[in-house]
Amino acid sequence: DAKTTQPPSMDCAEGRAANLPCNHSTISGNEYVYWYRQIHSQGPQYIIHGLKNNETNEMASLIITEDRKSSTLILPHATLRDTAVYYCIVRGLSGGYQKVTFGIGTKLQVIP
Amino acid sequence: DAMVIQNPRYQVTQFGKPVTLSCSQTLNHNVMYWYQQKSSQAPKLLFHYYDKDFNNEADTPDNFQSRRPNTSFCFLDIRSPGLGDAAMYLCATSRELPSGRRNEQFFGPGTRLTVL
Repeated sequence: DAKTTQPPSMDCAEGRAANLPCNHSTISGNEYVYWYRQIHSQGPQYIIHGLKNNETNEMASLIITEDRKSSTLILPHATLRDTAVYYCIVRGLSGGYQKVTFGIGTKLQVIP
Repeated sequence: DAMVIQNPRYQVTQFGKPVTLSCSQTLNHNVMYWYQQKSSQAPKLLFHYYDKDFNNEADTPDNFQSRRPNTSFCFLDIRSPGLGDAAMYLCATSRELPSGRRNEQFFGPGTRLTVL
């Protein structure tokens, strides 16, 4: 799996958009970008994933650059409940043995 | 609601005393994973089951074993817990489709293990 680089921490004002960047410059053509988050003392929670097109669901939007070397997770209206560690992961979806490798992630603090 | 359940949420054991952590799922997923997460660190995969096929990570200590008696249940056995094994243990599941594609992982709430 390709390695990812994220800022260790970010702050965001409540109600504003939170934009979390991720660099994955060694991503290969068949690897997807996944985002998970982990609220304190809970298990990680899947947020969204994408290959090359931008994606949106009820939780967030994912913007992937045209060269696929970086992406941004957008929480459009951050709330205090969005305070968590956000993990950006790249992985293939082919069969056989594969694993999700978590990096350090970005600790997002939403401020009232 | 379909979910991944881990019991107990908190487990205390003594140094060297075997302990078993349990995970069950109602998602009918064919892949189950165990992760170890130490304080302020990212989760680290220990091993996973694809159906009954066990896949161990190369750096997982022999002290850690796992059993999957059926689709719904998976157990993590720590044969002789050391102080360094104190951590949050996370169970996760995913579905591998006939095409070989695996979807996202669903995590349980974790069991926090304390070793005295």
